[in-house]
Amino acid sequence: KNQVEQSPQSLIILEGKNCTLQCNYTVSPFSNLRWYKQDTGRGPVSLTIMTFSENTKSNGRYTATLDADTKQSSLHITASQLSDSASYICVVSGMAGGFKTIFGAGTRLFVKA
Amino acid sequence: EAGVAQSPRYKIIEKRQSVAFWCNPISGHATLYWYQQILGQGPKLLIQFQNNGVVDDSQLPKDRFSAERLKGVDSTLKIQPAKLEDSAVYLCASSHATGAYGYTFGSGTRLTVV
Repeated sequence: KNQVEQSPQSLIILEGKNCTLQCNYTVSPFSNLRWYKQDTGRGPVSLTIMTFSENTKSNGRYTATLDADTKQSSLHITASQLSDSASYICVVSGMAGGFKTIFGAGTRLFVKA
Repeated sequence: EAGVAQSPRYKIIEKRQSVAFWCNPISGHATLYWYQQILGQGPKLLIQFQNNGVVDDSQLPKDRFSAERLKGVDSTLKIQPAKLEDSAVYLCASSHATGAYGYTFGSGTRLTVV
């Protein structure tokens, strides 16, 4: 079964600290993996997208890594800001039974002053 | 480029009433998606259109939900009659072709059924 699992479910950190969010998937064959940021009451906004051949992608203070062999990805946030408080959703696409896109449940990040 | 437009932003209805949501995708995007996002969960695909044809509606509760994309541009999603468990955010997204290069979401419509 194609699945995307994220951890932790929620996370509280102090402003200025770094954090890492995890995403494990079983989608196969794999096409691409995306990380989205979703602010409360808004639609998800794309942060990074990685294909099979890429193992890291950065977008400002956000750095995503991908290990296609172990089917794991992480999103590292450096020097967190209050505005980073949001849900971070891992999305994996693959060609299992036609092109499918599977969403993780997200990690809810709270950044405290 | 203009984003994906959705309306209304919020809607409160009583159970058994009907409701409709509207989406205008990014110009030139062939594929349009409707997602349902229940609080604390990731989005769940309801229906995917390629131009004005349905590609995937396997998770659409067809006894009460319907969607159309006339002329391959704007789309409407309707719920009739609504149930309490339909309370969620309904997100519209659009992309080129299969969405292999990512897609763009609208801000969503928050539906509350009371």
